[in-house]
Amino acid sequence: AQKITQTQPGMFVQEKEAVTLDCTYDTSDPSYGLFWYKQPSSGEMIFLIYQGSYDQQNATEGRYSLNFQKARKSANLVISASQLGDSAMYFCAMREDSNYQLIWGAGTKLIIKP
Amino acid sequence: DAGITQSPRHKVTETGTPVTLRCHQTENHRYMYWYRQDPGHGLRLIHYSYGVKDTDKGEVSDGYSVSRSKTEDFLLTLESATSSQTSVYFCAIGSPGRGGELFFGEGSRLTVL
Repeated sequence: AQKITQTQPGMFVQEKEAVTLDCTYDTSDPSYGLFWYKQPSSGEMIFLIYQGSYDQQNATEGRYSLNFQKARKSANLVISASQLGDSAMYFCAMREDSNYQLIWGAGTKLIIKP
Repeated sequence: DAGITQSPRHKVTETGTPVTLRCHQTENHRYMYWYRQDPGHGLRLIHYSYGVKDTDKGEVSDGYSVSRSKTEDFLLTLESATSSQTSVYFCAIGSPGRGGELFFGEGSRLTVL
């Protein structure tokens, strides 16, 4: 069964607009963590933000924030004031604390238009 | 940046030949991982290591073996490469605990003809 679902294969967004990238997950483990990574066209994987299942507040890192809705099992990434350099693939991933493995979604390709 | 280097970065080989990819880290990190990345699949874990000579299988380990004789080096071997192993391979380091993000190498693109 798919544990991480990213329903948007690709998105076009106008520069300076906010963008939300969707991620839903499936787990029965009460303790888990959710990660977002960015992969530019150069290929490297860049860690963006982390949310723990017991964290009371939504995680934020600069222009990145995570809209964590535990009951809905969603962990959407919000990028405020998008920039051309935000064009990249974005991956959502989950680690259940009972398991070492990081499970990845298929990714969303984000293109920022000038 | 985490000191992780992969070699070779690009390799073209023929079906049936052995291939070894090397991951070298300068962070003295206990945990190391090998992933493959294919379109439509995100990243999938091949093998991981939690110490020298301590390794375990991931979700797509068939056809791959690993070795870790030193903390800094984690080798991925394809004993007899197949076309289905054409992929981009990433090495990563990081703790599996809560909040432990992974840091990745630059990736190694392998083409099996």
